[in-house]
Amino acid sequence: GAGVSQSPRYKVAKRGQDVALRCDPISGHVSLFWYQQALGQGPEFLTYFQNEAQLDKSGLPSDRFFAERPEGSVSTLKIQRTQQEDSAVYLCASSPGGNSPLHFGNGTRLTVT
Amino acid sequence: DAKTTQPNSMESNEEEPVHLPCNHSTISGTDYIHWYRQLPSQGPEYVIHGLTSNVNNRMASLAIAEDRKSSTLILHRATLRDAAVYYCILRVINSGGSNYKLTFGKGTLLTVNP
Repeated sequence: GAGVSQSPRYKVAKRGQDVALRCDPISGHVSLFWYQQALGQGPEFLTYFQNEAQLDKSGLPSDRFFAERPEGSVSTLKIQRTQQEDSAVYLCASSPGGNSPLHFGNGTRLTVT
Repeated sequence: DAKTTQPNSMESNEEEPVHLPCNHSTISGTDYIHWYRQLPSQGPEYVIHGLTSNVNNRMASLAIAEDRKSSTLILHRATLRDAAVYYCILRVINSGGSNYKLTFGKGTLLTVNP
């Protein structure tokens, strides 16, 4: 069946540009997570949605980062005025809820030049 | 969040068993032990999880110490496709029982030799 889909797969942005990264979770999954993974590191939690409610945004590194999931399905992670330190792979994961495993997409690799 | 400690890297030979250790001495009674792995250029993939008892599935086995302060992921016959970074994670379920986040460490890089 279809897994978590992320687009674009690769994104190159000039410093100062705004970017939007899309996540299509598995249909019916209540929970959605965004993670940031720097080269050689494990994924770092950014934010968590339960349906359309953003219940935890404690991992967002600055107010330039904004995530939304307006209808409880597709989610968008927006980064304003990108900086070089924003270069990373951004991973999205979804889950049915409870202690069910997370299903990850293959990420969007963002390079800020 | 309770932390886990894993070796940075391990090496194995194809078709041999692999035992990947994880220490979690500060685990609390409600923390689940989860294992994920990440192949190159892919997102993490769920492997197995458990609370107190040993667990088996088609991918691996999870052996949990009686005091729960350590666990071991066992791959019964390593293949080249098992070469990946393996993450041992303690999953916090909040008091409402809601699904909650995973906190990843650096994991163990497993190399499988042909």
